[in-house]
Amino acid sequence: QQKVQQSPESLSVPEGGMASLNCTSSDRNFQYFWWYRQHSGEGPKALMSIFSDGDKKEGRFTAHLNKASLHVSLHIRDSQPSDSALYFCAASEHSNNRIFFGDGTQLVVKP
Amino acid sequence: ETAVFQTPNYHVTQVGNEVSFNCKQTLGHDTMYWYKQDSKKLLKIMFSYNNKQLIVNETVPRRFSPQSSDKAHLNLRIKSVEPEDSAVYLCASSRPGQGRDTQYFGPGTRLLVL
Repeated sequence: QQKVQQSPESLSVPEGGMASLNCTSSDRNFQYFWWYRQHSGEGPKALMSIFSDGDKKEGRFTAHLNKASLHVSLHIRDSQPSDSALYFCAASEHSNNRIFFGDGTQLVVKP
Repeated sequence: ETAVFQTPNYHVTQVGNEVSFNCKQTLGHDTMYWYKQDSKKLLKIMFSYNNKQLIVNETVPRRFSPQSSDKAHLNLRIKSVEPEDSAVYLCASSRPGQGRDTQYFGPGTRLLVL
């Protein structure tokens, strides 16, 4: 069973719009969460990490974590065509370095 | 800025051949990983090495074998490739922390098996 589930599978937003990506996990041992972004032809790159409940904002990107519900989200405001990419949610436990990745959300920002 | 390097970028081979991919990281990390990304873009962990010791070995076919000469290098050898091995192979590295360390990925090696 997939430990990290993402939704939606794909998302299309207009340039300047808000993109919202969601992620839930089924393992209450997960303590640490990330959003990774992968542009076509490249490897994934960590976009944001979030380890505490609440919001974490970095520029146009805001991550939200609710550990009680094992839900993490990523909101991208003022979306740009360069934000078009595959976004992965990832989670890990306290005790080891293995990261579990979701299946990804394909974001397309249309000019 | 790239700090995890992979060679080759792309490799085409035929069924039954042996291939080898190289990975080097300049981040000073102790842990390195190999992932397989299939045509659906799913990321699947294959191996991880911590200071040259294998610490994760997912149920991959025996024809796959990781090779490490030091903590900065982790290569992947595939003996007798199969068509289903066509994929992107991603190398990553991280510090050996208690689960909270970010993994840094290379650009990947794209393998096509004819």
